[in-house]
Amino acid sequence: EAGVAQSPRYKIIEKRQSVAFWCNPISGHATLYWYQQILGQGPKLLIQFQNNGVVDDSQLPKDRFSAERLKGVDSTLKIQPAKLEDSAVYLCASSSFRGGTDTQYFGPGTRLTVL
Amino acid sequence: SQQGEEDPQALSIQEGENATMNCSYKTSINNLQWYRQNSGRGLVHLILIRSNEREKHSGRLRVTLDTSKKSSSLLITASRAADTASYFCATDTGRRALTFGSGTRLQVQP
Repeated sequence: EAGVAQSPRYKIIEKRQSVAFWCNPISGHATLYWYQQILGQGPKLLIQFQNNGVVDDSQLPKDRFSAERLKGVDSTLKIQPAKLEDSAVYLCASSSFRGGTDTQYFGPGTRLTVL
Repeated sequence: SQQGEEDPQALSIQEGENATMNCSYKTSINNLQWYRQNSGRGLVHLILIRSNEREKHSGRLRVTLDTSKKSSSLLITASRAADTASYFCATDTGRRALTFGSGTRLQVQP
């Protein structure tokens, strides 16, 4: 099966600009996650969707970050306006809850550099 | 905050040697998972161990879990240069979103 697709792979912007990332999960996966991974750290959850509803966005900086998952498939994550500290890799993952466990499959990520 | 903390932060070994990484966590879990991340790439799921399991094997990987100590270890036997990567433990506390540790960077010298 095809993996999780993300675009773009790299993005360089100046602070206060806006940026958007796109994710296409594995077909049939109801759950979609966006993680932020700062260099040298593990991924940190930003938002979790179940179909097109938000399950957990408690760590999403809502004053500048927004995300949506229209029709319960693709998702976009937006940052507006960007700050220097937003420089990170943004990872999208998807999963289907089977057999009581939830293995997440990750996309290649989008590396964002804010200058 | 990050639930899991890996130890050591960095590990350098020779090809053929075994590599052991440890993970400690803070709260009760449903399962613990290990992921690998090659430089500049996404994370790849390696192995999952449930809270009622103590040990699990997958190929050259061996994972142990001690829920009383809230710790896990990942052993890679007969390491290869291709095993060079960062390794993360991730805990599932029932919220289904994983909480990742800060990772162990493994360098396997050919």
